[in-house]
Amino acid sequence: AQTVTQSQPEMSVQEAETVTLSCTYDTSENNYYLFWYKQPPSRQMILVIRQEAYKQQNATENRFSVNFQKAAKSFSLKISDSQLGDTAMYFCAFRFKETSGSRLTFGEGTQLTVNP
Amino acid sequence: DAMVIQNPRYQVTQFGKPVTLSCSQTLNHNVMYWYQQKSSQAPKLLFHYYDKDFNNEADTPDNFQSRRPNTSFCFLDIRSPGLGDAAMYLCATSRLGQPYQPQHFGDGTRLSIL
Repeated sequence: AQTVTQSQPEMSVQEAETVTLSCTYDTSENNYYLFWYKQPPSRQMILVIRQEAYKQQNATENRFSVNFQKAAKSFSLKISDSQLGDTAMYFCAFRFKETSGSRLTFGEGTQLTVNP
Repeated sequence: DAMVIQNPRYQVTQFGKPVTLSCSQTLNHNVMYWYQQKSSQAPKLLFHYYDKDFNNEADTPDNFQSRRPNTSFCFLDIRSPGLGDAAMYLCATSRLGQPYQPQHFGDGTRLSIL
């Protein structure tokens, strides 16, 4: 079974600075997808960014980018120009490229606090 | 806007008193999921439906049941809630065969047990 590990339970960053959240995973599969989800306090979990395992190019969405190292099974999230609204719990998640249910396996999460 | 709606946002029930949480979606997704999320932890998948096909996780207690009467609605029934069942319950949807598409989550129902 696949596992996802986020080794940083909490992190903080000053507004406008850059922060990197780490994520590693373990799988024997070759085709899969990786996601970062954001869950603000008492609010809905939303997708931040996603990566297809067969694509070497790192995904980028505005201030959010990933460093995907397939051989190392690492999928870190970089947030540039951090904003107060980025304060949230961030979950790294793994999903097989399969057709039956396509469940997500989540890491334990990293609580990010952006300080003014 | 198409979305996933969970009702109620907050639910309080008594120890042992059955409770039902509801989820509806306007996305016309064929897969619906129920997750349990305890404080500062990752969501834990309880079960999911692909259309009417129910898929239970191996470690989901028998106390948890689910119903999906149609594509739009899915219910989570807790037959005899215990103190350990106090948690946030998240409903999510996706379309089968599109694993690259994100799961769409509702706002969750926070369940408290007295």
